[in-house]
Amino acid sequence: GAVVSQHPSRVICKSGTSVKIECRSLDFQATTMFWYRQFPKQSLMLMATSNEGSKATYEQGVEKDKFLINHASLTLSTLTVTSAHPEDSSFYICSARDRVQTNTEAFFGQGTRLTVV
Amino acid sequence: GQQVMQIPQYQHVQEGEDFTTYCNSSTTLSNIQWYKQRPGGHPVFLIQLVKSGEVKKQKRLTFQFGEAKKNSSLHITATQTTDVGTYFCVTNDYKLSFGAGTTVTVRA
Repeated sequence: GAVVSQHPSRVICKSGTSVKIECRSLDFQATTMFWYRQFPKQSLMLMATSNEGSKATYEQGVEKDKFLINHASLTLSTLTVTSAHPEDSSFYICSARDRVQTNTEAFFGQGTRLTVV
Repeated sequence: GQQVMQIPQYQHVQEGEDFTTYCNSSTTLSNIQWYKQRPGGHPVFLIQLVKSGEVKKQKRLTFQFGEAKKNSSLHITATQTTDVGTYFCVTNDYKLSFGAGTTVTVRA
């Protein structure tokens, strides 16, 4: 299957700093990428939908100024957690779909485990 | 996005036994997908169901889509330790919305 690479896999940062997470589709073009957050023993909660060349669409309750999303190309989307706090510690996962086939499976990155201390 | 209820939340199974996880929606679904997430891993696509009453099999896994397209089920026969993980049903209306998941543990 297609490959989505997410980097870094783990990051520990100090409270108040910002962290950038990258999501790349390696062998296909992704018009749309999705960003999820997963707390321990919980399901994946969609944070935002990232569209190439336009502003991201955020889910209700997700602060767009805190979680900055940039989708500058068909193969790269980034999520920046600004002014991180301990409550932002979570598992962040991106997913992407092939731009041609939008009604099929989504491919997920390996996830980023963020710990804010 | 569309909301789906998934039960049970946890399933502890004796190796070799069968079990089923269920997914229910209050609205008609255009299609439904199933994903598996191993502990510490990321979700991996298993299957997509589109047609009313559709049944698909993957070895020991049987997926079903209800006639009214409001519910779906995953049945696993002869559970093995490799089946450990969390199984999610996911609605697919442009954006993917995950059910709560069924976390499966297996006792040998």
